[in-house]
Amino acid sequence: GAGVSQTPSNKVTEKGKYVELRCDPISGHTALYWYRQSLGQGPEFLIYFQGTGAADDSGLPNDRFFAVRPEGSVSTLKIQRTERGDSAVYLCASSAGHPTGELFFGEGSRLTVL
Amino acid sequence: AQSVTQLGSHVSVSEGALVLLRCNYSSSVPPYLFWYVQYPNQGLQLLLKYTTGATLVKGINGFEAEFKKSETSFHLTKPSAHMSDAAEYFCAVSNSGSARQLTFGSGTQLTVLP
Repeated sequence: GAGVSQTPSNKVTEKGKYVELRCDPISGHTALYWYRQSLGQGPEFLIYFQGTGAADDSGLPNDRFFAVRPEGSVSTLKIQRTERGDSAVYLCASSAGHPTGELFFGEGSRLTVL
Repeated sequence: AQSVTQLGSHVSVSEGALVLLRCNYSSSVPPYLFWYVQYPNQGLQLLLKYTTGATLVKGINGFEAEFKKSETSFHLTKPSAHMSDAAEYFCAVSNSGSARQLTFGSGTQLTVLP
């Protein structure tokens, strides 16, 4: 597809379980971002990749959250020992990498932790 | 640190009326400023951005915004609302030099009445 693709679109899990969320960016985009949007709030920055490396992970809330982008394209956000407070929509965006380049967002993965 | 305040979580206007969505920011460095729109079941889409230069910025779908440094504001306007403008609008700020780590406001839901 032409846009940023995120899977799954919805994920329901139980407290304590492990979750993976996948992001497939626009082809050729070198920069990839993860944001989290809680109900009634704007998106909050989690992590930014330039190529394969995490250039800025200052937004990850704690060490239960981890993200990878091993080949510089698809990225996976991993959440261990999920908590009810992790329930949110997780947004992925990509850009061509220019410092002021437009971010193109996916539709998000809605995570519900019961 | 930077922050964004969007005044009014819900705004209603009549079709054909002026749209005004308010955004105030705080930033310790010259900011980059953005407006994003989110239609139901779609990803965030960039409406317009201010980086440097002209303070009146024109975006897509007839929207524009003016950067006023003295007022630390970046209000979004459209002269005549259309039914298709109904959506959630987010203002965002980033440090100059990079559009990567965006700080978003909590959003304004725009309703257009027939």
